[in-house]
Amino acid sequence: DAGVTQSPTHLIKTRGQQVTLRCSPKSGHDTVSWYQQALGQGPQFIFQYYEEEERQRGNFPDRFSGHQFPNYSSELNVNALLLGDSALYLCASSLVTTKNIQYFGAGTRLSVL
Amino acid sequence: AQSVTQPDIHITVSEGASLELRCNYSYGATPYLFWYVQSPGQGLQLLLKYFSGDTLVQGIKGFEAEFKRSQSSFNLRKPSVHWSDAAEYFCAVGAEYSGGGADGLTFGKGTHLIIQP
Repeated sequence: DAGVTQSPTHLIKTRGQQVTLRCSPKSGHDTVSWYQQALGQGPQFIFQYYEEEERQRGNFPDRFSGHQFPNYSSELNVNALLLGDSALYLCASSLVTTKNIQYFGAGTRLSVL
Repeated sequence: AQSVTQPDIHITVSEGASLELRCNYSYGATPYLFWYVQSPGQGLQLLLKYFSGDTLVQGIKGFEAEFKRSQSSFNLRKPSVHWSDAAEYFCAVGAEYSGGGADGLTFGKGTHLIIQP
């Protein structure tokens, strides 16, 4: 049974560019959450998708957007990249009927130069 | 707004010694509490969770945690650490989403655990 998978593993972009990160949830899960983890910090909640809609959002600007597909996989898009967007981006999946038990992928390391 | 405080940035413990990592939370309702572990270059692995009921919860790898409502704490313990326990440990708080399902988690800044031989 595959866990949460994320791609790519690493990514290097320059300021102003746009990036798309991808996540496949754990088998049977229907909810995907995205987190940003800056170096030396704990993860910060970006947003959550369920039934192909954004149902909850953390304190992140509109440059951060997402999408969930009918197969429950998800994308995170970041526009107009800033140096401060350099971080590890983590995807977590869960099942709506469970009590917030989120399982995390290994993350995508984004470096903005 | 909910928040999580992990007062210890670094903790050094000798192999075989006991461990306690502290976590304090602020949350308006009854929280769901979690401990995750992160090894270098890895994602987060769930160690244990508390929803309700027995305030002492058991997790994987020999870890346990105790929920103390009066102190707003959820400290992680292990009676005897192994060198493989060296990692970053995160406490997190969340709740059932008002519309049903999961809620975005709020994490502490983490505690870096170093194991001395």
